[in-house]
Amino acid sequence: GENVEQHPSTLSVQEGDSAVIKCTYSDSASNYFPWYKQELGKRPQLIIDIRSNVGEKKDQRIAVTLNKTAKHFSLHITETQPEDSAVYFCAANPTGGGADGLTFGKGTHLIIQP
Amino acid sequence: EAQVTQNPRYLITVTGKKLTVTCSQNMNHEYMSWYRQDPGLGLRQIYYSMNVEVTDKGDVPEGYKVSRKEKRNFPLILESPSPNQTSLYFCASSPRMGASEKLFFGSGTQLSVL
Repeated sequence: GENVEQHPSTLSVQEGDSAVIKCTYSDSASNYFPWYKQELGKRPQLIIDIRSNVGEKKDQRIAVTLNKTAKHFSLHITETQPEDSAVYFCAANPTGGGADGLTFGKGTHLIIQP
Repeated sequence: EAQVTQNPRYLITVTGKKLTVTCSQNMNHEYMSWYRQDPGLGLRQIYYSMNVEVTDKGDVPEGYKVSRKEKRNFPLILESPSPNQTSLYFCASSPRMGASEKLFFGSGTQLSVL
């Protein structure tokens, strides 16, 4: 099955700096890569996703890049703000649109230092 | 309001006492899934359902049962809970998982098995 590795497990950045979280996946048939944000005590919520037919997608201060050849994708957050503090999960759809659902990474705890 | 509703929010029980965590969605979604979240392990899929009367095992199904008798409901059943099932549980739904779409999560159930 799919294996999704996520790094780092904890990331501390100064407010206003950029943050980058990286994930690798094992199943070359995967074609959908979402990122979820989970604030303390809350449910995970989708913040951005990318499909395998594009290499980059941006939404205001967040962007995701995908390298299909290397089987890795990354989340980039620019001009970080206190409200960006949360746990972020990457995920991949292991059967490329099949029935198995998403396999999640283990999460990155992003801490924004004032 | 479109939502996934889980109950209860918190549950403390003892080893061996059967329990059910309910999950209901009002969005007419075909796909529903259960995840457990443990520190350092991220979100791991327990069971999923592609539609009514169709269920299948995820990555960590041991000790759990599910049923999908109606489209809106997908209860998680622990026939004989054990302490290693102490965890934070999330139910999620999406219109059609085969299309790799956004997952809508419930608010979570924090289960403690003593």
